[in-house]
Amino acid sequence: DAKTTQPPSMDCAEGRAANLPCNHSTISGNEYVYWYRQIHSQGPQYIIHGLKNNETNEMASLIITEDRKSSTLILPHATLRDTAVYYCIVRVVIWGGNQFYFGTGTSLTVIP
Amino acid sequence: EAQVTQNPRYLITVTGKKLTVTCSQNMNHEYMSWYRQDPGLGLRQIYYSMNVEVTDKGDVPEGYKVSRKEKRNFPLILESPSPNQTSLYFCASSLRSGGVEQYFGPGTRLTVT
Repeated sequence: DAKTTQPPSMDCAEGRAANLPCNHSTISGNEYVYWYRQIHSQGPQYIIHGLKNNETNEMASLIITEDRKSSTLILPHATLRDTAVYYCIVRVVIWGGNQFYFGTGTSLTVIP
Repeated sequence: EAQVTQNPRYLITVTGKKLTVTCSQNMNHEYMSWYRQDPGLGLRQIYYSMNVEVTDKGDVPEGYKVSRKEKRNFPLILESPSPNQTSLYFCASSLRSGGVEQYFGPGTRLTVT
């Protein structure tokens, strides 16, 4: 039972905005959405997270729909170094513990 | 330098031979976690620890054990490894369990023959 679903791959032209979608239709009210990326087989790198409101930091923006069933990660000006696999993750609170569910990710290729 | 370290980075072993993969963090983080990554399946959480002496099963705990006797260390134990545990393993830590980023280690590539 996947907590998140993402398209398997996307392309983006260098310098353009990359918009990566994620569906998390079973998310509960207290469950955060996180985005990480992974380059080759290195450890995943944190990008951004949010609960209800849209968020922005130096790397990206996170847009969460009002019903919280989906979100979009926006890389405003994609560079070649942004080529990576991007994971949308839901943190689920279970019996006081916290489990993180990674999806299978979107492989983003930034094209020169 | 703030970091999560894992050892060994690469390991080839045989079925049934007990092994331990160590994980250590120097950031005084409360939450630590182990993941495995397999082609086409993304990362799946094996076990996590909310604090010292507090551990709990993640999504795929079968065949693994963990312990959290000290805040900085969270070893992953395979009592009797099998070939289906061949995978890339990541340890991660965060200041607390929610609302903050997790820092990941460099990964341990395990092959069980």
